Amino acid sequence: DGGITQSPKYLFRKEGQNVTLSCEQNLNHDAMYWYRQDPGQGLRLIYYSQIVNDFQKGDIAEGYSVSREKKESFPLTVTSAQKNPTAFYLCASSDRGGANVLTFGAGSRLTVL
Amino acid sequence: AQTVTQSQPEMSVQEAETVTLSCTYDTSESDYYLFWYKQPPSRQMILVIRQEAYKQQNATENRFSVNFQKAAKSFSLKISDSQLGDAAMYFCAYRRSNRDDKIIFGKGTRLHILP
Repeated sequence: DGGITQSPKYLFRKEGQNVTLSCEQNLNHDAMYWYRQDPGQGLRLIYYSQIVNDFQKGDIAEGYSVSREKKESFPLTVTSAQKNPTAFYLCASSDRGGANVLTFGAGSRLTVL
Repeated sequence: AQTVTQSQPEMSVQEAETVTLSCTYDTSESDYYLFWYKQPPSRQMILVIRQEAYKQQNATENRFSVNFQKAAKSFSLKISDSQLGDAAMYFCAYRRSNRDDKIIFGKGTRLHILP
């Protein structure tokens, strides 16, 4: 079955460490997204990519980095520069164009100790 | 910049009753798409309903329907015959057409279903 796989589901990090969250899709979607979800804040866009080897900053890109070397993969690195990284992270993908809906992964919960 | 506002952080409804969740948005575009997504306790986001801005007819999916008021920039979700499985966070989302693929979400409304 087609879908999006995020890993790990739970991740613990010490302060000062970089961590990478994986997002893989087999839906042949061109566009991929990373959102951060905090209580009362909804979903905030971190980065998105419309095509391989290209990506754009979202509203809260500071302290995060991404790459899009393959169509099916869009990993997110949470760097030590992110001041408050504890959150729930959602990856999504879609075909390009406004009518197309997002398909979401199950999410990754990052906790900084 | 486009914004999406959900003014009701939490709502409750009696099982089998009808509830309406509010959403307003701000845009200077004339062509765009609006969505409602549901996030149940499992946290797996799923699409509830989609509305094309160029269509005057309100979208309907079984017990879910929208009231799309383009001039007022309002996009409310009505859930009829509420069921326990409808308990979730509901997010309103906006997406421009044929420009970049940026999708903007509101802060969500948590819906409780009272048995």
